[in-house]
Amino acid sequence: DAKTTQPPSMDCAEGRAANLPCNHSTISGNEYVYWYRQIHSQGPQYIIHGLKNNETNEMASLIITEDRKSSTLILPHATLRDTAVYYCIVRNANAGGTSYGKLTFGQGTILTVHP
Amino acid sequence: DSGVTQTPKHLITATGQRVTLRCSPRSGDLSVYWYQQSLDQGLQFLIHYYNGEERAKGNILERFSAQQFPDLHSELNLSSLELGDSALYFCASSVGPISNQPQHFGDGTRLSIL
Repeated sequence: DAKTTQPPSMDCAEGRAANLPCNHSTISGNEYVYWYRQIHSQGPQYIIHGLKNNETNEMASLIITEDRKSSTLILPHATLRDTAVYYCIVRNANAGGTSYGKLTFGQGTILTVHP
Repeated sequence: DSGVTQTPKHLITATGQRVTLRCSPRSGDLSVYWYQQSLDQGLQFLIHYYNGEERAKGNILERFSAQQFPDLHSELNLSSLELGDSALYFCASSVGPISNQPQHFGDGTRLSIL
């Protein structure tokens, strides 16, 4: 799996946009970038994923650089409930491998949204 | 609510015992994944089943086993339990195993070994 690098922690003021960066310089052409978050000890929550185009859904936007070596997750109007650990993951695309389909979680970014 | 159901939510048992964790995937999902989250190891992939067949294995101990039944629910069996097996165990499901199909996680089972 391509390795990802994220800052260990970030702060954001409530109501402002939260921009969470992720580096994945070894990503291969058919690997997707996924973002999940985990609030306290709840199950990880899927946020968004993309291959090379920017993506937007009701939760967030994902901006992937043209060379695909980095991406940014944008929460447009952060609320206190967005305080969580955010994981950037590159999804293994090897259809025949022993790790087929698995998600490899790193340490993530602890995002704290404050009033 | 992700649509993935895990039972029980909490399990307390003693060393040497055996437990079974259950997972019901989202309706229509054929792939089921198990993950373990402990304080020192983070979230670790254990095993993946697709439509009843094992498709991938992570660092799953030999004392652990899993299966996926014809109705697509899955069970994770943990035996000869040790203190170090105390962790959160998450199940996730997806339509299939390919890269562009997101996994959706349940709320987990918290296993405590006394």
